[in-house]
Amino acid sequence: ETGVTQSPTHLIKTRGQQVTLRCSSQSGHNTVSWYQQALGQGPQFIFQYYREEENGRGNFPPRFSGLQFPNYSSELNVNALELDDSALYLCASSLANTEAFFGQGTRLTVV
Amino acid sequence: QKEVEQDPGPLSVPEGAIVSLNCTYSNSAFQYFMWYRQYSRKGPELLMYTYSSGNKEDGRFTAQVDKSSKYISLFIRDSQPSDSATYLCAMSAGGGGSEKLVFGKGTKLTVNP
Repeated sequence: ETGVTQSPTHLIKTRGQQVTLRCSSQSGHNTVSWYQQALGQGPQFIFQYYREEENGRGNFPPRFSGLQFPNYSSELNVNALELDDSALYLCASSLANTEAFFGQGTRLTVV
Repeated sequence: QKEVEQDPGPLSVPEGAIVSLNCTYSNSAFQYFMWYRQYSRKGPELLMYTYSSGNKEDGRFTAQVDKSSKYISLFIRDSQPSDSATYLCAMSAGGGGSEKLVFGKGTKLTVNP
């Protein structure tokens, strides 16, 4: 176990709805990254938060947004859900300049 | 051309075989190289973490990085059925691996008893 926990484990949403996914980082880790993993693909970087500030963003539209809280936990919000947003969403935590550890993921299905 | 290329397999071997998994990459800025193991419907688990070129061994696992060829490998000795999983290579340009990771597609490995 990595100590990175994500909730919920899976959920089903309707196209056009909004969703919030949550991540608790490993104790002491101040950096949280979010990744999207489509079926049969490697994870794709969405964005990263370091000490509550966005610290890098991948090639995802603005309807993907996030937050990091003072306790370093994080949220990923996706607005106006599309069918192609169906994927496993992964959260990874780390200290600056160390390796990243992943949670178990949230499986999102958009119908 | 994708930044990281990885043969998706599938790869099927008998128990006890030596497994070789590989990735190539195009971005010469990558300095940190990782291998993750992912069981079905689970999050990736960090197996090996290396910086720059060279070899690193951990039990039955050996990671090799050849920056001059932009080629990394993971070897698994005495493979076990419990090694059956998807293996993902990942790389980053900085931050010790804490910054943006670029992943390969993953290679699905099955070890048959």
